[in-house]
Amino acid sequence: QSALTQPPSASGSPGQSVTISCTGTSSDVGGFNYVSWYQQHPGKAPKLMIYEVTKRPSGVPDRFSGSKSDNTASLTVSGLQAEDEADYYCSSYAGSNNLLFGGGTKLTVL
Amino acid sequence: QVQLQESGPGLVKPSETLSLTCTVSGGSISSYYWSWIRQPPGKGLEWIGYIYYSGSTNYNPSLKSRVTISVDTSKNQISLKLNSVTAADTAVYYCARGRLWVGAWGQGTLVTVSS
Repeated sequence: QSALTQPPSASGSPGQSVTISCTGTSSDVGGFNYVSWYQQHPGKAPKLMIYEVTKRPSGVPDRFSGSKSDNTASLTVSGLQAEDEADYYCSSYAGSNNLLFGGGTKLTVL
Repeated sequence: QVQLQESGPGLVKPSETLSLTCTVSGGSISSYYWSWIRQPPGKGLEWIGYIYYSGSTNYNPSLKSRVTISVDTSKNQISLKLNSVTAADTAVYYCARGRLWVGAWGQGTLVTVSS
């Protein structure tokens, strides 16, 4: 099983929207609606931002949204704010009770 | 609100066994899945495995031969053992609640493998 593929970096100006992709295969991202996204600030534990492709946990701003098309999932951050600058990781159920993570994307707010 | 706290040695010698404990407070272990996830310095996240409160487990195929996860419901604790460690096992180790996604994380503990 290989890690899911994410771009190493993404950036946007305050107020803009940015989308981070997460590419897998039909055996993981494409095969199940169990994609999740995590935000991690330096030195901190990850925080769940999206689960089951599109759902937001309580307390996560609606500026964060998730979607999926075929084997690629996406996280969109709208109305970028300075505090959104962080590393973002995607994750997907990969069958046989296994979980895969992406390599992470560093989001910079310009 | 549930809180998770990892504990254990911060330094382990090569070929020895890494042992960590996660203590859950503010909620019961029962009826949940509990995962261990690690992150090498400067790198991404890697799922190690999970355990259900009843004791059933599942491990990352790449680590399966070296990993044991156990649960002690009387102490509200989950444990991780990783044997025959090498420098490649140096990482921050997180315990977390969930299986298909992880909604609560511990703060993580850095374990360095070095002689």
